[in-house]
Amino acid sequence: GAGVSQSPSNKVTEKGKDVELRCDPISGHTALYWYRQSLGQGLEFLIYFQGNSAPDKSGLPSDRFSAERTGGSVSTLTIQRTQQEDSAVYLCASSLAAGANYGYTFGSGTRLTVV
Amino acid sequence: AQSVAQPEDQVNVAEGNPLTVKCTYSVSGNPYLFWYVQYPNRGLQFLLKYITGDNLVKGSYGFEAEFNKSQTSFHLKKPSALVSDSALYFCAVRERVDSNYQLIWGAGTKLIIKP
Repeated sequence: GAGVSQSPSNKVTEKGKDVELRCDPISGHTALYWYRQSLGQGLEFLIYFQGNSAPDKSGLPSDRFSAERTGGSVSTLTIQRTQQEDSAVYLCASSLAAGANYGYTFGSGTRLTVV
Repeated sequence: AQSVAQPEDQVNVAEGNPLTVKCTYSVSGNPYLFWYVQYPNRGLQFLLKYITGDNLVKGSYGFEAEFNKSQTSFHLKKPSALVSDSALYFCAVRERVDSNYQLIWGAGTKLIIKP
């Protein structure tokens, strides 16, 4: 597609439920990033996929968080047994294989609210 | 490791006045620097970047940034602020991680333009 697409745009879930957030990057972008952003705050790095390499999971805050990227394209971020502190906006970005020379393109994010 | 600092959490400017949002960096080698803007309830949008060449870089929405190697700064500027410029602004620097590159982000600066 023309841009990075994230779905759903908003998600309200009950504490303890699992959620899946989806990111569809720009076609041809081999690098994909997930970030978390609390209201009006900075970006917290979660995970990074580059081509067929093992993902950099160093930013995942707990083992309740996992992500996969199928076929080098669409990525799903899964949060198990959600907690209220998981409430945030989850942003996905993609970039060309050359890395960050051209910067990242971001999706509009998924706003997750855990009640 | 590379790093980037945005020393101001918030900047307040009257409409029509010039604005500056500060960014300093620490890198080894030549820096690749970026500015992004985030409007409320949106993802981040690319504004401009510096890789090489002229120290004054022009970007979207009338913004420009000046690369100053001696001061290791990359401040974002606009000659005349608009209320619609009110947003969250992020500075970023490219860092090499293994054989790839990622962007390292500043904490963000909230810009408020008052009518």
